[in-house]
Amino acid sequence: DADVTQTPRNRITKTGKRIMLECSQTKGHDRMYWYRQDPGLGLRLIYYSFDVKDINKGEISDGYSVSRQAQAKFSLSLESAIPNQTALYFCATSDPRDISYEQYFGPGTRLTVT
Amino acid sequence: GENVEQHPSTLSVQEGDSAVIKCTYSDSASNYFPWYKQELGKGPQLIIDIRSNVGEKKDQRIAVTLNKTAKHFSLHITETQPEDSAVYFCAATPTSGTYKYIFGTGTRLKVLA
Repeated sequence: DADVTQTPRNRITKTGKRIMLECSQTKGHDRMYWYRQDPGLGLRLIYYSFDVKDINKGEISDGYSVSRQAQAKFSLSLESAIPNQTALYFCATSDPRDISYEQYFGPGTRLTVT
Repeated sequence: GENVEQHPSTLSVQEGDSAVIKCTYSDSASNYFPWYKQELGKGPQLIIDIRSNVGEKKDQRIAVTLNKTAKHFSLHITETQPEDSAVYFCAATPTSGTYKYIFGTGTRLKVLA
């Protein structure tokens, strides 16, 4: 089974709807991240969390919120979706004890807002 | 703010040829530079990385070079194979913390058989 899973894998929603993207990990890592990928813009950090009680904004947090329900779960919410939030969303994890600083990515969620 | 520029955005090479992707970073205090490979339908995966105290690192057919003075680092893939076709991202860690990457915009590499 995959170490970092994301649900749903694909979602089409309408403008103004609330939507939640979920991420779960079995790696036992404390740190979790949400990124957004757009063509030509690379990966941009939305939010990151060092543990259940520590959540921080990334480069592009406006319009998004997150919840760290447990060490293994980190959810991203769009309170009122808009078309320019159409993108590929990735969750990632890392272990602060890992000197390589490697981040482990999930398979992504493709979100389309019409 | 911190910025990482990546070129080219697309690259096509014949199988067996070499491929080079270049990145430039803005924060002179950045000290860790990973390269991620993203295959179709999958999340990015680390393929090689380099720290600021090293000028070059190799792993079989891939290598990364770092020029701290010029704030450049590059990915070199030799003897390219069709399975090397993917999107490659460079990244740098800004001084605000090594846990947070600034990614480049990606290079789509196509290896033509």
